[in-house]
Amino acid sequence: DAKTTQPPSMDCAEGRAANLPCNHSTISGNEYVYWYRQIHSQGPQYIIHGLKNNETNEMASLIITEDRKSSTLILPHATLRDTAVYYCIVRVSHSGAGSYQLTFGKGTKLSVIP
Amino acid sequence: DTAVSQTPKYLVTQMGNDKSIKCEQNLGHDTMYWYKQDSKKFLKIMFSYNNKELIINETVPNRFSPKSPDKAHLNLHINSLELGDSAVYFCASSHSDRENTEAFFGQGTRLTVV
Repeated sequence: DAKTTQPPSMDCAEGRAANLPCNHSTISGNEYVYWYRQIHSQGPQYIIHGLKNNETNEMASLIITEDRKSSTLILPHATLRDTAVYYCIVRVSHSGAGSYQLTFGKGTKLSVIP
Repeated sequence: DTAVSQTPKYLVTQMGNDKSIKCEQNLGHDTMYWYKQDSKKFLKIMFSYNNKELIINETVPNRFSPKSPDKAHLNLHINSLELGDSAVYFCASSHSDRENTEAFFGQGTRLTVV
């Protein structure tokens, strides 16, 4: 799976949009971009994933550049509960036994400030 | 209803002891995993089981032995515990036959070896 690069930390004011960048310049055509987050002392939580097109769900939006070498996770209205470490993961998505191995990097520690 | 549950949440034990961590999922998933998060907060996969069969076994000492009595359970037994085994251990589960599925993680077991 391709490697990702994220800033180690970011701050965001409560109520504002949090934009978390991720570089994945070596991404292959069949690799998806996944985002997970880990709130302090909890297990990782799935947020969103995408291949080429921008994606949106109830938690966040994912913007992937046309060349797919970078992406941005957007939390539209950050709350204090969004303070967490956010992981950008690139992986080949295919069904089959053991195919969901996730390789976590260091992630971005997002601090939402009141 | 907890999707992926681990017990115990905290475990403090002496060096040389043998201990087990239990994991159960009620999501109907056929694949389960153990991840280890060390003191530097890196999350790494240890094992992956699909339909009770070992699929992934990363470079983990053979003192660690996963056991899957059925698809809904994956227990981790650790023999001759060492100080370096102190970490947070996360269990996770997912479907194997669906592309782009997400993994669900338990809340973790914080193991402290003294």
